[in-house]
Amino acid sequence: GQNIDQPTEMTATEGAIVQINCTYQTSGFNGLFWYQQHAGEAPTFLSYNVLDGLEEKGRFSSFLSRSKGYSYLLLKELQMKDSASYLCAVRDKKSNYQLIWGAGTKLIIKP
Amino acid sequence: GAVVSQHPSWVICKSGTSVKIECRSLDFQATTMFWYRQFPKQSLMLMATSNEGSKATYEQGVEKDKFLINHASLTLSTLTVTSAHPEDSSFYICSVGLWRVRETQYFGPGTRLLVL
Repeated sequence: GQNIDQPTEMTATEGAIVQINCTYQTSGFNGLFWYQQHAGEAPTFLSYNVLDGLEEKGRFSSFLSRSKGYSYLLLKELQMKDSASYLCAVRDKKSNYQLIWGAGTKLIIKP
Repeated sequence: GAVVSQHPSWVICKSGTSVKIECRSLDFQATTMFWYRQFPKQSLMLMATSNEGSKATYEQGVEKDKFLINHASLTLSTLTVTSAHPEDSSFYICSVGLWRVRETQYFGPGTRLLVL
């Protein structure tokens, strides 16, 4: 079946680095997305991976290993505004290319 | 990305009334839009895929007669919650898939519905 796992909550310190992991099981993998969602707001797109490796975009990087069904989102130089939920989503060819969503990881940044 | 708007952003209504939510793609012609629902502290739940000029595709467990979707143009999709009840209170979010950016979904700001 389809399944996406990510930690429920993480805490990190301002200025530090944090890695949010996501593992998935799907039969028709067609890309993995990371979104940021602040409380009470809609998700905003952060990154997309379809091939193995690291995609870097400013302070945020995303990594994918298709053979392991594993991805991580790396946030550097953490700022207070990075406090949000981070959603991992996998696109599945066998589900008509719909996104399968993880439950999200709530990231708390402390001063 | 794509600019997506939703209206209204907040709705409070009495039980039994119908509520219409509009989703507009402001800078992109969207043949496909998605409607999601999100309860507090839960993940996004896809309700239906809205296709321009044809019937929406509903997810299992979503009542098509209760959640009416109309995608009459390439820039507008509407979701009508008919005879709303308190359990329908939720955060409703639409998104469009941007084909030129690997079909990345871009979300509207969401509509918070409270049914009394």
